[in-house]
Amino acid sequence: SQQGEEDPQALSIQEGENATMNCSYKTSINNLQWYRQNSGRGLVHLILIRSNEREKHSGRLRVTLDTSKKSSSLLITASRAADTASYFCATDNRRAAGNKLTFGGGTRVLVKP
Amino acid sequence: NAGVMQNPRHLVRRRGQEARLRCSPMKGHSHVYWYRQLPEEGLKFMVYLQKENIIDESGMPKERFSAEFPKEGPSILRIQQVVRGDSAAYFCASSPYGQEYNEQFFGPGTRLTVL
Repeated sequence: SQQGEEDPQALSIQEGENATMNCSYKTSINNLQWYRQNSGRGLVHLILIRSNEREKHSGRLRVTLDTSKKSSSLLITASRAADTASYFCATDNRRAAGNKLTFGGGTRVLVKP
Repeated sequence: NAGVMQNPRHLVRRRGQEARLRCSPMKGHSHVYWYRQLPEEGLKFMVYLQKENIIDESGMPKERFSAEFPKEGPSILRIQQVVRGDSAAYFCASSPYGQEYNEQFFGPGTRLTVL
């Protein structure tokens, strides 16, 4: 699999339920970021977690990072219809010059009202 | 403080024409990244630039593609002699530094369609 692979590829839930998606990566990283993209739009930065952090919260979002397993999870609690979007994880490769990001293929989340 | 601006938002070109995509980073940001997104896929890194310098172009196709970030003005991604496979959304991102913990701020993208 590629660096920054999300799982599942698609997720359909009812409004009010929680949505969990996972991301796996291969190389050592400086940080991992999660982005949201509404259909046909640009990316919105959600949260950045550093390699020395294990968990981070932002509003209804909870991100975990397990560097030993090279994986991260994004939890959206009490989902809303407006959360319908594609969610991408992106890793900042420790060996790369600057901080170019490597994106996964995304998880498409549909929240049904 | 305006966000990252890209223009045009939509660009239609015929095969063989040239495409020029512009990106104005956020005020105070001197680092620019270009990414390409094919339909139903994630973004793929193309090139990383600082003012007047290309730092990393490892994701750029060897031919027809070029990028610049002049001292004055926006960053330009130029695609010569476009082909249908160049149809994609092209996103620009900027950050204030090239340090490892800086998030990148993305523009709305330019959707290129090659007929």
